[in-house]
Amino acid sequence: KAGVTQTPRYLIKTRGQQVTLSCSPISGHRSVSWYQQTPGQGLQFLFEYFSETQRNKGNFPGRFSGRQFSNSRSEMNVSTLELGDSALYLCASSPWTDDGNTIYFGEGSWLTVV
Amino acid sequence: AQSVTQLGSHVSVSEGALVLLRCNYSSSVPPYLFWYVQYPNQGLQLLLKYTSAATLVKGINGFEAEFKKSETSFHLTKPSAHMSDAAEYFCAVSDRDYGGSQGNLIFGKGTKLSVKP
Repeated sequence: KAGVTQTPRYLIKTRGQQVTLSCSPISGHRSVSWYQQTPGQGLQFLFEYFSETQRNKGNFPGRFSGRQFSNSRSEMNVSTLELGDSALYLCASSPWTDDGNTIYFGEGSWLTVV
Repeated sequence: AQSVTQLGSHVSVSEGALVLLRCNYSSSVPPYLFWYVQYPNQGLQLLLKYTSAATLVKGINGFEAEFKKSETSFHLTKPSAHMSDAAEYFCAVSDRDYGGSQGNLIFGKGTKLSVKP
């Protein structure tokens, strides 16, 4: 069974540009969540999607957005990039059950803003 | 609000020694608790999780953790460290009442484990 797949793995963008990151969840998983990881702030929750609907959102500015498609694949977008947006962006997927869902993480997308 | 505190940002042990990584949580409801490991330039891999089925949870690679409600702790242990255990370890908590979804995890700051030969 394939794991969570994120593309691209590495990218460099210029301040002010926008970026779109893609995530394919594990087959059968309907929930996708996104996290930002930086040395200073650690791992922070961005948002979660289930059945194409955003269920929860972390404390990030509106420049950070996401969406989920009918096949559960998800994208996140960051507009007007700032230097501080340089980070590892992790996507995670989980099944939708009531038994302490396990969240499975992808390898991440390394974003460098210059 | 939920929170997780990992005591010690860096822990160093000798190969073969006991590994103990500390995690304390704060939650107003019985939580789900997780330990994840991150190797350099990789994503997070689940080591183990607590969902109230048993207070002593066994995970992969010989790791285990014990849920202690009275101490609000969920420390991670391994009897004998191996060089391959060198990585960063994250404790995380999820709100059990949040509609069954664990998409939103609150992570600790992480503990980097070094293993000396």
